[in-house]
Amino acid sequence: DSGVTQTPKHLITATGQRVTLRCSPRSGDLSVYWYQQSLDQGLQFLIQYYNGEERAKGNILERFSAQQFPDLHSELNLSSLELGDSALYFCASSVAGGANEKLFFGSGTQLSVL
Amino acid sequence: EDQVTQSPEALRLQEGESSSLNCSYTVSGLRGLFWYRQDPGKGPEFLFTLYSAGEEKEKERLKATLTKKESFLHITAPKPEDSATYLCAVRGGGADGLTFGKGTHLIIQP
Repeated sequence: DSGVTQTPKHLITATGQRVTLRCSPRSGDLSVYWYQQSLDQGLQFLIQYYNGEERAKGNILERFSAQQFPDLHSELNLSSLELGDSALYFCASSVAGGANEKLFFGSGTQLSVL
Repeated sequence: EDQVTQSPEALRLQEGESSSLNCSYTVSGLRGLFWYRQDPGKGPEFLFTLYSAGEEKEKERLKATLTKKESFLHITAPKPEDSATYLCAVRGGGADGLTFGKGTHLIIQP
């Protein structure tokens, strides 16, 4: 068990809808990362937060947004969903968000857009 | 743009049969090369970080090595519990976040 908690484990929704994925980092970790994993693209970095502030942005679509709250949990909001958004979404955390810190990943949220 | 290519895509070995997984990379200013293990239905689990060419790290039956263009994950006398997808990732000087390869799916048959 990595100590990173993601909910829900599975989410099935329809095109055009909006969903929210939730992540609680390991106790003591200040930085949260979101990654998307699909069969054809592999793991893609979406966004990083550190202590409530956005620190780095990757291949995140404008329809997607995230935030990190004062209690350090994070939410990833996906809107106007398309079939191609179906994927496994992972949250990871690290102590201070440094470039070479090892990441601890949650078990992911499997999103299916029908 | 940082790029990571892993080979082979899949590898089936008999228990005790040693082999190596390859990770080729192009990156601007390597800040670290990472190996992760991913089991079905779970998130990646950290194995190693390598920082410079010539560096080696070991953990149980696994040894990771690094050159200027590639990294190898050597697995010695593997056991069925070593079956997993092994992911390689790099952190470049100009990139935010890790760039992952698509992984090698390793199956160890008893």
